[in-house]
Amino acid sequence: GQQLNQSPQSMFIQEGEDVSMNCTSSSIFNTWLWYKQEPGEGPVLLIALYKAGELTSNGRLTAQFGITRKDSFLNISASIPSDVGIYFCAGQSRNDYKLSFGAGTTVTVRA
Amino acid sequence: DTGVSQDPRHKITKRGQNVTFRCDPISEHNRLYWYRQTLGQGPEFLTYFQNEAQLEKSRLLSDRFSAERPKGSFSTLEIQRTEQGDSAMYLCASSLGGRGGYTFGSGTRLTVV
Repeated sequence: GQQLNQSPQSMFIQEGEDVSMNCTSSSIFNTWLWYKQEPGEGPVLLIALYKAGELTSNGRLTAQFGITRKDSFLNISASIPSDVGIYFCAGQSRNDYKLSFGAGTTVTVRA
Repeated sequence: DTGVSQDPRHKITKRGQNVTFRCDPISEHNRLYWYRQTLGQGPEFLTYFQNEAQLEKSRLLSDRFSAERPKGSFSTLEIQRTEQGDSAMYLCASSLGGRGGYTFGSGTRLTVV
């Protein structure tokens, strides 16, 4: 399958800090998605991006669809303890229903 | 809309036994997906249904795996002669249409001992 490289693999952040993570692919995607997963639960969709260059926000989260269509970025502003979890990027190709996921970024917040 | 429901949440089985998982998608969603997730990894695609038709199976889905969606509503995933390597979280998701994000269930955690 398609390979997505997500970085960093993990991060410890101070409450109130801004956080950035990114995802790169060897293939072009037409849709980029960001999910958050908490222990023992399935992934929950945070943001969906459908157009190259698109910048979309959801509360304190902002994600961008890279102009090359091979990368995406997620920013979390003013982190709080409930931001703890694993964040996954996922890409979807044109006319495809499958999602290819990165390996995740584990976020731990220090109070 | 109660979301995507999966049952059971946890299953421990002995190697060689058969197990079956159930997924109830969001009622108006016509597409249903099964993914597998191992520790430290993102979900990996297993198979996909549009209504009752199974349209694609990943090479990850060996002959011991079978999935059905008999009436285009709920789906079952059966694993025969389980092996320790089958231990994983099995996630079901559904969507209306093919583009964009799915809604995932909470998963079934399988442990083969």
